[in-house]
Amino acid sequence: DAGVIQSPRHEVTEMGQEVTLRCKPISGHDYLFWYRQTMMRGLELLIYFNNNVPIDDSGMPEDRFSAKMPNASFSTLKIQPSEPRDSAVYFCASSRDRDSYEQYFGPGTRLTVT
Amino acid sequence: AQKVTQAQTEISVVEKEDVTLDCVYETRDTTYYLFWYKQPPSGELVFLIRRNSFDEQNEISGRYSWNFQKSTSSFNFTITASQVVDSAVYFCALFMDSSYKLIFGSGTRLLVRP
Repeated sequence: DAGVIQSPRHEVTEMGQEVTLRCKPISGHDYLFWYRQTMMRGLELLIYFNNNVPIDDSGMPEDRFSAKMPNASFSTLKIQPSEPRDSAVYFCASSRDRDSYEQYFGPGTRLTVT
Repeated sequence: AQKVTQAQTEISVVEKEDVTLDCVYETRDTTYYLFWYKQPPSGELVFLIRRNSFDEQNEISGRYSWNFQKSTSSFNFTITASQVVDSAVYFCALFMDSSYKLIFGSGTRLLVRP
C-alpha cells in the first residue's frame, strides 16, 4: 500500500509569494495532520482534520496559513504571503480512525523562502 | 501541562555498544499513549512503537526494547548492539486522548560510529 504522499518534496520561493503544499493520506484513513519541523521549535502540530473537517487549528501560526481538505484523499496547506521565517519542513500524517492513534508520516516538504 | 523531555541532545557510540535514549513525559490525562519515532538522515519519520498508559509491560522487538515506568513518567528506548544504520534522530511523543494531539520531544540525535 502507498504511504502518505506529499508534493512537492522541495520548494524554494521568494518572500511574498504564495506557496501550496499538497498531501494525499493513506487510503481509508479518517484523520489527517499537518506538522511543521524547525530547529528552533521542533515538531509542532499545525492543524488536523477528521473526515475532511478541520477539528483543531490552534497550531496554525498566523492568518497567512490556511489548510483545506476538499475530499478524503487530498489536503492542501497554503501560505500567502510567504516569509523567510516560514522556512521549515512540513509533514503531513494520517491515522486510520479514532482508536488507532498511530500516525503515519509522509516524506515531508522542505520549504525555503528567500 | 503536557510535555515531553528528551534531555540527551546527542549521543555518540561505537558500533555494537548498547545505548539507551531517555524520555520523560508530563500529563494530567489518565489515558494517554507514548510513541517513539525514528528520523533517519533522509528525513522521513518512521513509527517504531506505541504504548498505552494502562500497559506497563516492557517490550522487545529484535535489538530494540522499551521500558515504560509510570512511577517515574518515563518511556526509555534501548538499542542493543547498535549498528551504523541506527544513526538517526529519535523522537519520543505523547498522545492525549482528550485532545487528540501528539506532542513531540525535542529529539535525540544518535550517531553510531563504525
